Amino acid sequence: GQQLNQSPQSMFIQEGEDVSMNCTSSSIFNTWLWYKQDPGEGPVLLIALYKAGELTSNGRLTAQFGITRKDSFLNISASIPSDVGIYFCAAGRGGGADGLTFGKGTHLIIQP
Amino acid sequence: DGGITQSPKYLFRKEGQNVTLSCEQNLNHDAMYWYRQDPGQGLRLIYYSQIVNDFQKGDIAEGYSVSREKKESFPLTVTSAQKNPTAFYLCASSLLTGRNQPQHFGDGTRLSIL
Repeated sequence: GQQLNQSPQSMFIQEGEDVSMNCTSSSIFNTWLWYKQDPGEGPVLLIALYKAGELTSNGRLTAQFGITRKDSFLNISASIPSDVGIYFCAAGRGGGADGLTFGKGTHLIIQP
Repeated sequence: DGGITQSPKYLFRKEGQNVTLSCEQNLNHDAMYWYRQDPGQGLRLIYYSQIVNDFQKGDIAEGYSVSREKKESFPLTVTSAQKNPTAFYLCASSLLTGRNQPQHFGDGTRLSIL
């Protein structure tokens, strides 16, 4: 199937640092989504992007839909302990129920 | 409150046994999905359904079966044919429109082998 290359696989940062992660593909997508998953729970939607070049913020989170439609990034500013978790990107081409492809996740760890 | 409810939270299966995982949503979503999550593997699609009484195989459907008799419910059966069933199973739902609507997830069921 289609693949999304998500990087980095894991990040070890200190509280207060900014975080940046990205997702790339060799295919074009019309929708990019970012999710966060806490241990033992389901992923929760953070940001949805529907237009190439779109830049959207949700509190300390900012995500962009790449202009080529083949990539997206997520930034977290001034990280706090509750930001720990796994962040997934997902992308789709539109319409069908089978349309989302997921990255393998970025595991964010905050060191005291 | 609207949401997706998965049960049970933890499930144990004996060799040769079929087990069924429950997924119910009250979001009035058209589409429902089942994913399997293994450590470091991300989410892999098992089955999905767009409407009642219809469903399609995903990338890893072998050893699994589903039904969609009601819009709100999409149970997943892990059959004895699935030789490596230990994983975290996630159910999701979404609206169906002209663009990809975000999928909303339940809190998962962790299945282990006795």
